[in-house]
Amino acid sequence: GAVVSQHPSRVICKSGTSVKIECRSLDFQATTMFWYRQFPKQSLMLMATSNEGSKATYEQGVEKDKFLINHASLTLSTLTVTSAHPEDSSFYICSASPTGGPYEQYFGPGTRLTVT
Amino acid sequence: TQLLEQSPQFLSIQEGENLTVYCNSSSVFSSLQWYRQEPGEGPVLLVTVVTGGEVKKLKRLTFQFGDARKDSSLHITAAQPGDTGLYLCAGDPSGGYALNFGKGTSLLVTP
Repeated sequence: GAVVSQHPSRVICKSGTSVKIECRSLDFQATTMFWYRQFPKQSLMLMATSNEGSKATYEQGVEKDKFLINHASLTLSTLTVTSAHPEDSSFYICSASPTGGPYEQYFGPGTRLTVT
Repeated sequence: TQLLEQSPQFLSIQEGENLTVYCNSSSVFSSLQWYRQEPGEGPVLLVTVVTGGEVKKLKRLTFQFGDARKDSSLHITAAQPGDTGLYLCAGDPSGGYALNFGKGTSLLVTP
């Protein structure tokens, strides 16, 4: 149980284009989902907290107009990187917490984004 | 400011050795989670510790939560190459959903 999927697993795009990453909880409902960014050999950096049916809460320093988050249902959240630049290249990971607790997060397998 | 400090940052040992990884904070946590992450993959939840002084065992892995709920440790007995990975501790001092992650301990176990 507690499986989270991400799609795509890898994506290469050109500068200036937008990329959408999907995060799905497959066998549980998640009122809250999270988006992280991870640079090589570093820990996870929380970008935003996504709540179903409401606006996402972004961490300080994360541009909400650049990283658009939509949490349309209890099993799906999407992250769209708009007008991507090479510095946006990174490993993006989502996680989901089961509705009603416990306060544990189950992570997706991650998406490797490369912007050329 | 890093809420959770992990040590050591890097650890390279030979198969069969024992090791301990530490996760320390000045904040009190209602719970702490330990994750293992392999390169190119998402973190996998290993255990959640909730009660101060709690000890949980998962095969060769032993997790302990400090009495004051400010620190935790992970002890691996007879390490195997399959234990190689990044070990992360995480928790939310407010007891909510959002987790703060330590910087992780990168473990390499060589045959």
